[in-house]
Amino acid sequence: EVQLVESGGGLVQPGGSLRLSCAASGFTFSSYWMNWVRQAPGKGLEWVASIKQDGSEKNYVDSVKGRFTISRDNTKTSLYLQMNSLRAEDTAVYYCARGNSDGKGYWGQGTLVTVSS
Amino acid sequence: QLVLTQSPSASASLGASVKLTCTLSSGHSSNAIAWHQQEPQKGPRFLMKLNSDGSHRKGDGIPDRFSGSSSGAERYLTISSLQSEDEADYYCQTWGTGTWVFGGGTKLTVL
Repeated sequence: EVQLVESGGGLVQPGGSLRLSCAASGFTFSSYWMNWVRQAPGKGLEWVASIKQDGSEKNYVDSVKGRFTISRDNTKTSLYLQMNSLRAEDTAVYYCARGNSDGKGYWGQGTLVTVSS
Repeated sequence: QLVLTQSPSASASLGASVKLTCTLSSGHSSNAIAWHQQEPQKGPRFLMKLNSDGSHRKGDGIPDRFSGSSSGAERYLTISSLQSEDEADYYCQTWGTGTWVFGGGTKLTVL
């Protein structure tokens, strides 16, 4: 059974940092692109970042470029999102999602990040 | 620019069928898409990948009541024999170069 379990969310002040983790199991982690997707309160889904199987290619939505860094550890089957210089508008539930262009997709349950003073 | 357009809301009666639409922007009419369901207060769930020719591959455990079809730049999700638990937000998603693009979502109400 495929499982994606996010952790690391919480309350942080504007300008602060947070590191999200996603523990993956039930599939060959090193064979898939991985993604972070977020959902602000009452809003739709927004793709945030993606990383290639070997970590050699990373992509970001414009609003987080230079502030967020996606990374992965294939030996630990884990995905990460380092978030720096956080803003109020980064408040959202952050989901980990496996690449799905092969026709099979999986999501984690999400972790809530609240940026507020 | 790659954009997906969805109607904000839809409604249909219990036991009936409903067809949700996702429209690809100009120049991208051959793109495949994915459909995702998000029940209230839950995380998203992958429903299917839908190709431009209407062929589709469904995710784990997705009932036969859910099907997909395509026509030109439009991608459809049809839900038949509507049940109360189908009341949810439905998002389409496609692939850019190493990126994902989401539609704005359709909130489905089951009457």
